[in-house]
Amino acid sequence: DQQVKQNSPSLSVQEGRISILNCDYTNSMFDYFLWYKKYPAEGPTFLISISSIKDKNEDGRFTVFLNKSAKHLSLHIVPSQPGDSAVYFCAASPAGVGGAQKLVFGQGTRLTINP
Amino acid sequence: EPEVTQTPSHQVTQMGQEVILRCVPISNHLYFYWYRQILGQKVEFLVSFYNNEISEKSEIFDDQFSVERPDGSNFTLKIRSTKLEDSAMYFCASSPFTEAFFGQGTRLTVV
Repeated sequence: DQQVKQNSPSLSVQEGRISILNCDYTNSMFDYFLWYKKYPAEGPTFLISISSIKDKNEDGRFTVFLNKSAKHLSLHIVPSQPGDSAVYFCAASPAGVGGAQKLVFGQGTRLTINP
Repeated sequence: EPEVTQTPSHQVTQMGQEVILRCVPISNHLYFYWYRQILGQKVEFLVSFYNNEISEKSEIFDDQFSVERPDGSNFTLKIRSTKLEDSAMYFCASSPFTEAFFGQGTRLTVV
């Protein structure tokens, strides 16, 4: 079951440059998308989210872009900092009434920021 | 900053034994979840809980699993008779509505 896919298992970026992490999904019922960051031996930390009614959401250095027709989203981090080195998970939530909607996660992309 | 806390951080148990994983969600959140991540695999949804009942559960969440909110603060996951394949990181999460906030996880090792 590959409803949410992150095709790049790893990404290496120079400090100060832009990091772009990509995510594709197949289920048209998804209408809310989230990015999480995870350090080893810790739980996922919420970063940023976007609703399907938007195509962009920005929070500080983090911007998420959603292309519904392509079923694709991306996370841009600019400028990248050494502390950004972690595994990044894309997650999607199906449409539904109210909260308590389960998240479907991608496999994760390991981002390494090089000094 | 409020956070989801989980205990214990690591639990080792013998196959066939019962385990209870504990979580204290963020106090004003209404929705509670358990997820797990088997080593090298994706984070997988197990169950969601709202208004003192299960809202949704995955096919993984069979009769061996149960959840409970025994008081106003704790949220527990019980595995009645653990199997080797239950070894994983178990994450509790809570949500005010859409964004779920995760605890640091409990590493369950079944031997």
